[in-house]
Amino acid sequence: DQQVKQNSPSLSVQEGRISILNCDYTNSMFDYFLWYKKYPAEGPTFLISISSIKDKNEDGRFTVFLNKSAKHLSLHIVPSQPGDSAVYFCAASDNNAGNNRKLIWGLGTSLAVNP
Amino acid sequence: KAGVTQTPRYLIKTRGQQVTLSCSPISGHRSVSWYQQTPGQGLQFLFEYFSETQRNKGNFPGRFSGRQFSNSRSEMNVSTLELGDSALYLCASSPGGRNIQYFGAGTRLSVL
Repeated sequence: DQQVKQNSPSLSVQEGRISILNCDYTNSMFDYFLWYKKYPAEGPTFLISISSIKDKNEDGRFTVFLNKSAKHLSLHIVPSQPGDSAVYFCAASDNNAGNNRKLIWGLGTSLAVNP
Repeated sequence: KAGVTQTPRYLIKTRGQQVTLSCSPISGHRSVSWYQQTPGQGLQFLFEYFSETQRNKGNFPGRFSGRQFSNSRSEMNVSTLELGDSALYLCASSPGGRNIQYFGAGTRLSVL
């Protein structure tokens, strides 16, 4: 049972345009969400996160939006650059789970930014 | 600060053998988590160690085990390898009590 879902396996955008990556979750106990990006032959790299007490967090070209009622979050990249081409993973955790807390991951979305 | 180091980067084994993978976390990080990544399953959580104790465990068979040393370095062992164990094994460290994890480049295990 996939608790974190990234329904688009791939996405292609033009350089300079906006990239929007989506993520849905089913567990209402999740209260912290993260986005990672992964290049081939490297481990995932932390990009940006958001706590459930917020609905938006921004860091440079990257903005994450959280819609708790819809159990949906999205990552916006503006403007997109060819170097952003990578696999993007959404992850979630339940901070009230104590020592049982762990990150639950989506399957990833492969983003291609075309020059 | 040096990042998370995983060794070896690549490994080829045959069915029935066992394998040990190593992970050196970022200095000062006491939590080490291990993940298995396969194309169809994404990142699957194996276990987490904190201060030499297994703090959390995923849904993997007992053939998968790990340990953590007093310097926070961690090893993961897989016994009686099966073809389906072929995957990228990722190690991640965090200061402990934090959600953000920092990953190594992984060990690519191929079981023939």
